[in-house]
Amino acid sequence: QSVLTQPPSVSGAPGQRVTISCTGSNSDIGAGYDVHWYQQLPGTAPKLLIYGNTTRPSGVPDRFSGSRSGSSASLAITGLQSEDEAYYYCQSYDSSLRALYVFGTGTKVTVL
Amino acid sequence: QVQLVQSGAEVKKPGSSVKVSCMASGGTLNSYAISWVRQAPGQGLEWLGGIIPMFGTPSYAQTFQGRVTITADEATGATHLDLTRLTSEDTAVYYCARASSQYDILTPLDKWGQGTLVTVSS
Repeated sequence: QSVLTQPPSVSGAPGQRVTISCTGSNSDIGAGYDVHWYQQLPGTAPKLLIYGNTTRPSGVPDRFSGSRSGSSASLAITGLQSEDEAYYYCQSYDSSLRALYVFGTGTKVTVL
Repeated sequence: QVQLVQSGAEVKKPGSSVKVSCMASGGTLNSYAISWVRQAPGQGLEWLGGIIPMFGTPSYAQTFQGRVTITADEATGATHLDLTRLTSEDTAVYYCARASSQYDILTPLDKWGQGTLVTVSS
């Protein structure tokens, strides 16, 4: 059902910067819907990391940032830390009526 | 601080149905949209549907139309997911999650239940 495309994996050394892309279409991100990002640590439920394209909920470190342009969005992690090793999912909404919510395919971030 | 608490793990036979429940601890969910999201082993997140208990009209993903029913009991504050005609491909962890803003399903999911493992096996 995933209609948002993410790279399967990205990696970086501690302290480095990594980015995760999220590519949609004219019926979701390109239609102007917000993009949200979730972090999922092993064996746990997803946690809201970024909402409304760029906003961090209280308690989320400022090394996480989001952006959106056209039909795509991206998540950046600067100053990568070992505890950032997790799966990351983008999410938006779908005007095509297939499903209200659409998720990205997910990206595994590995800290080398 | 509201927490979402889900019912326990289930093992089901192919062709049968399963009901998973979600309740709020420390608050009420009646004016917030509750979505159900599943995650098959080693796979990504998939939205099944959602409901705002106060309004009562659910929305479903086309993929699950005819097999899924989402209901809300305002008296108990519980939300339920019913999935019928189960196959092995329905084996997954099922999560309930709350939209962050009242009366609006198109807001981010800011609170999640702990997940319920549903295993479909003969």
